Amino acid sequence: AQRVTQPEKLLSVFKGAPVELKCNYSYSGSPELFWYVQYSRQRLQLLLRHISRESIKGFTADLNKGETSFHLKKPFAQEEDSAMYYCALRGGAQKLVFGQGTRLTINP
Amino acid sequence: DVKVTQSSRYLVKRTGEKVFLECVQDMDHENMFWYRQDPGLGLRLIYFSYDVKMKEKGDIPEGYSVSREKKERFSLILESASTNQTSMYLCASFFWPVRTGGRNTEAFFGQGTRLTVV
Repeated sequence: AQRVTQPEKLLSVFKGAPVELKCNYSYSGSPELFWYVQYSRQRLQLLLRHISRESIKGFTADLNKGETSFHLKKPFAQEEDSAMYYCALRGGAQKLVFGQGTRLTINP
Repeated sequence: DVKVTQSSRYLVKRTGEKVFLECVQDMDHENMFWYRQDPGLGLRLIYFSYDVKMKEKGDIPEGYSVSREKKERFSLILESASTNQTSMYLCASFFWPVRTGGRNTEAFFGQGTRLTVV
């Protein structure tokens, strides 16, 4: 079974502080992992994918297969980072599942 | 620019009605998905389809069915709407490029349909 867990429903940090949004997954095969973001009144959109090893808007995420985690990090939060963040996993049979989401609020 | 379009932004239906939610994508993607989005529960997969006339149950298929008669269109059907199906419904299409081993894979979402069942 494929499962994604985001343990924090809400996360609030001050501008300039580091941010870490946690994501743990359960999947017996080799997963593809993603972070998606939804800004206020906008569609859900891709932020980054683990296979590309990219940094987008200052965010990075490393796949840790030993800990089955894919945490999202940014060293210095900005107010425009306030949004809803979802971790997602694509496993077998083209199935794409999401976690419960974390609402990130950046305080000025 | 990929477009995934859901036919309605807001719908209000009565308990027991049959409800159709339509989704169209214009990028020739094989994979399409229906999710419902609820606070604290995130996105939960209802059904998905990886080809025309092919469908697979997601994690919460009860009370729903789907139809994929054409590649670009994926419909979600609530056979007999109930108040616990009040939710935001999101459609997505998914591009998995075989040539690059999925390196540029991405799901594209519709704007969502907020369904209220009264």
